[in-house]
Amino acid sequence: DQQVKQNSPSLSVQEGRISILNCDYTNSMFDYFLWYKKYPAEGPTFLISISSIKDKNEDGRFTVFLNKSAKHLSLHIVPSQPGDSAVYFCAASARVGGKLIFGQGTELSVKP
Amino acid sequence: DADVTQTPRNRITKTGKRIMLECSQTKGHDRMYWYRQDPGLGLRLIYYSFDVKDINKGEISDGYSVSRQAQAKFSLSLESAIPNQTALYFCATSDPGTQDPGTQYFGPGTRLLVL
Repeated sequence: DQQVKQNSPSLSVQEGRISILNCDYTNSMFDYFLWYKKYPAEGPTFLISISSIKDKNEDGRFTVFLNKSAKHLSLHIVPSQPGDSAVYFCAASARVGGKLIFGQGTELSVKP
Repeated sequence: DADVTQTPRNRITKTGKRIMLECSQTKGHDRMYWYRQDPGLGLRLIYYSFDVKDINKGEISDGYSVSRQAQAKFSLSLESAIPNQTALYFCATSDPGTQDPGTQYFGPGTRLLVL
């Protein structure tokens, strides 16, 4: 039973354009969401988070949107750069500091 | 210097062998976690520890055991390795008392192959 789902295993985007990565969840108790980025041969690194009291959080080129009624979040990267090419995982927890449940990951490729 | 280190980085072993993966951290965090990553499945939680005297099973603990030797050290053992334990293993830490309590910090991973 996959509580956090990333239905697109891969995404290819042209440099300078917008990348949109999507994530769906099923557990209505989740109230804290994070995005992690992973390069090959490295561990995941934290990118951006959002709590359920917000519907948007922005950090530079990265914006996370949360739609609680649809149980859906998305990560927007604008403009996309070749260095953004990596696997992106979304994660959720029922409370801040609680256990994280991860999605399957989406591999983003940004073409020059 | 890396804040979360894992040893070994790569390991090949045979079915039935006992193997230990080690994790050390210099972040001073109380909470530590072990995950495995498999293609198409993301990261799944094996065990977690909220302090030295607290050990909890995650979603896929069967076939694994852990030891929290100190605040800074958390080891994962496979008592009798089997081929479907071939995966990438990650250790992570977090600290609920910080400004960023929900964030976990990951080590570089251990790639394990069980023949």
